[in-house]
Amino acid sequence: DSGVTQTPKHLITATGQRVTLRCSPRSGDLSVYWYQQSLDQGLQFLIQYYNGEERAKGNILERFSAQQFPDLHSELNLSSLELGDSALYFCASSPPAQGATEAFFGQGTRLTVV
Amino acid sequence: AQTVTQSQPEMSVQEAETVTLSCTYDTSESNYYLFWYKQPPSRQMILVIRQEAYKQQNATENRFSVNFQKAAKSFSLKISDSQLGDTAMYFCAFMKGAGNMLTFGGGTRLMVKP
Repeated sequence: DSGVTQTPKHLITATGQRVTLRCSPRSGDLSVYWYQQSLDQGLQFLIQYYNGEERAKGNILERFSAQQFPDLHSELNLSSLELGDSALYFCASSPPAQGATEAFFGQGTRLTVV
Repeated sequence: AQTVTQSQPEMSVQEAETVTLSCTYDTSESNYYLFWYKQPPSRQMILVIRQEAYKQQNATENRFSVNFQKAAKSFSLKISDSQLGDTAMYFCAFMKGAGNMLTFGGGTRLMVKP
């Protein structure tokens, strides 16, 4: 158990719908990262938050958005869903210590768009 | 931008034998970190081993060791005494500096045969 909690574990929804994925980082971790793992694109970085502020953005679609709340949990919102958005979405967190390099991954949310 | 390439989509090894997974990367950074992550059928991302670019000594974690060739931008993973539980996808990953995002390779599926 990495200490990072993602909910829900599985999600099935229809095209055009909107979903919210939730991530609770490890206690004390300030950084949260979101990654998408799909069959054709592999593992891709979407976005990073650090202590409530957006820190880095990757190949995140405009239909996707994220935020990190004061209690440090994060949500990834996916809207106008398309079949191609079906993927495993991972959240990871890392400690605030300078030089911290280990990212702890949650078990992922498997999203299926039908 | 950094790129990470794993040229072996699939590999197999007999139990108790040794196998080496290849990874090359491209970067203009001088300070960075390299990782190998294991993803078993459970889909959990598990850190196997980490290498700091400024360290010449190759990292070792029990049966896992790396061959880090900085000039060649090569970072291979050697698994000794392979066990059935080593069956998984293995991802090579690059981090520009502490606290940054991970850039992943496409993965190598390893099957350990009894």
